[in-house]
This record gives sequence, structure tokens and C-alpha cells, in this order.
Amino acid sequence: NAGVTQTPKFQVLKTGQSMTLQCAQDMNHNSMYWYRQDPGMGLRLIYYSASEGTTDKGEVPNGYNVSRLNKREFSLRLESAAPSQTSVYFCASRDSGANVLTFGAGSRLTVL
Amino acid sequence: QKEVEQNSGPLSVPEGAIASLNCTYSDRGSQSFFWYRQYSGKSPELIMSIYSNGDKEDGRFTAQLNKASQYVSLLIRDSQPSDSATYLCAVLGGTSYGKLTFGQGTILTVHP
Repeated sequence: NAGVTQTPKFQVLKTGQSMTLQCAQDMNHNSMYWYRQDPGMGLRLIYYSASEGTTDKGEVPNGYNVSRLNKREFSLRLESAAPSQTSVYFCASRDSGANVLTFGAGSRLTVL
Repeated sequence: QKEVEQNSGPLSVPEGAIASLNCTYSDRGSQSFFWYRQYSGKSPELIMSIYSNGDKEDGRFTAQLNKASQYVSLLIRDSQPSDSATYLCAVLGGTSYGKLTFGQGTILTVHP
């Protein structure tokens, strides 16, 4: 099925552990995004990649790193997880022509 | 100042009424504006996009844009209980190419 695939859907970490959230899209979109969503905070942009080979910081980049591996894949890494990073993470990709943003199903991360 | 701000909620309207959702943005160079709807536990979905000053209508939804005032709004006519959701305003940055920023969301409840 065409769309944005995120893995894992659920993850529990202990403080200080590291992990990578994977995201892949098969729509040939140029731009990809990582957001986090906390209650009452809307979607906050962590990092984005406007095109293959570029990445830029969003509103809340501290504690995260990203890799745009190729046009399809955009991963988000937590090097040393903290309880403040407990959140729902959404990956999205955007068709520059139609400006439509397609979201993945979300990844729920809990840091104990 | 947040880059995208929405009117504080939650907003409660009776069935059949008009719901009005508002959003302001700080990047004067922004050219593309979006309204997303998000049901609890789901990913956001696009309702409307608007690029030019004025009104854009799609069924019961009307988006309004005023670039001089840096203001975008969404009107929902004949509100239905199924419209109960969180509504998110999003702005595609003009200064930062490809940066798509969301507001904090407004929770709308339509009661029978």
C-alpha cells in the first residue's frame, strides 16, 4: 500500500537508552518531516528534510538526530532517551507539487 | 512568539451551528496554509489548503486567508457531531524552504 510507514508503533525505553525510529515513503516525495505530539501542544516539528541530501532543525531538535538515508527513508535517532521525550512521533512526507502532507500512523514512545 | 498560533480552546458548539477556528502566523513570507483534522488516536488528515487572499469553500468548510494581517481561519457550517476533533493549522514557511509548522490545535466539540 502506498503511503508512509513508521516503525516501531510502540516502544518503551529506559532513561539513557538509545533507539531509532524508522520512516519510509513510497510516493517519491521530496520532503520528509518528523513531528512529536504531546497533549495540548499540537504537532511540533523536530527535524525536516526539504530534499534528499538536506536536513534542517525544526522547533524542538534538542536530543534528536536525523538521517535522510535516501529519497525514501528518513530516520530519527534518540541517542540518550529522557522521560521528556515520551510522546507520539509522526513521520510525514510532502508532495511539493500538490503540497499534500501524508502522515504515518505514529509511533508511541515511553521513556521510563 | 510561536510561529503558528491558534485560538485557545476547547470550542463547544451546538449541532447545526457555525464553528470558527482562527490561526495567526509570524513568517510574512509564507505562501501556503493548511487546515488538518485529527481524531483521537489517529493521524491528521487534510481538510483544506489555501494559497491566495480571500475565501475558499469546500462543502461545509470555508477557509479564509488575510496575508496582510497574517491570519487564516476555518469556518465549519452546519456543524455535526462527527466534526468533533482537534483542528490543526499548518503553515509552509517562506523564509525556510520546506519548513511546515503546525499550531497547537483547537479541540472542537459539537454537541447534539
